Amino acid sequence: KAGVTQTPRYLIKTRGQQVTLSCSPISGHRSVSWYQQTPGQGLQFLFEYFSETQRNKGNFPGRFSGRQFSNSRSEMNVSTLELGDSALYLCASSSGTLNNEQFFGPGTRLTVL
Amino acid sequence: KQEVTQIPAALSVPEGENLVLNCSFTDSAIYNLQWFRQDPGKGLTSLLLIQSSQREQTSGRLNASLDKSSGRSTLYIAASQPGDSATYLCAVILTGGGNKLTFGTGTQLKVEL
Repeated sequence: KAGVTQTPRYLIKTRGQQVTLSCSPISGHRSVSWYQQTPGQGLQFLFEYFSETQRNKGNFPGRFSGRQFSNSRSEMNVSTLELGDSALYLCASSSGTLNNEQFFGPGTRLTVL
Repeated sequence: KQEVTQIPAALSVPEGENLVLNCSFTDSAIYNLQWFRQDPGKGLTSLLLIQSSQREQTSGRLNASLDKSSGRSTLYIAASQPGDSATYLCAVILTGGGNKLTFGTGTQLKVEL
């Protein structure tokens, strides 16, 4: 069974631009969550999508948004990029049932210049 | 607000040593606890998942225990090897929290030859 895939793996953007990251979950999984990892703040929860609906949201500004498609693939978008958005963005996939074990992708490394 | 702490922050041991990593959380109303490892610049690899009704889980040389009443979990690694060198993270899901993981600060482990 293929694991969680994320594209692109690396991105370099400048301040003010916007970016879209993609995550394909494990086949059959309906829940996708996004996390931001920085050296200073560690791993922080952005949001979770389940069956195309946002089920949970972290404490990030509205510049961070996401969506999920009918095939469970998810995208997250960051508009008006700031230097502080430079981070490793990780997505996690789970079946969404009671077990809730989560499996992470390799991440997208975003650098904002 | 759930807070998760891991002690020690860093650990260096000689190959072959048995070791214990600690994780503590402030809110005992957890649904489950998951241990991960992360290699530098990579995504997270799931090691063990402990449901709130369980006391421990084992996988190969790894054993994780959970004591909800005291808000603690430990990850025991037997006969450590250089390949075990990584950052180890524990994360909890609160009951009713969907799939939102709250992560600990991590323990950076180095196993030396």
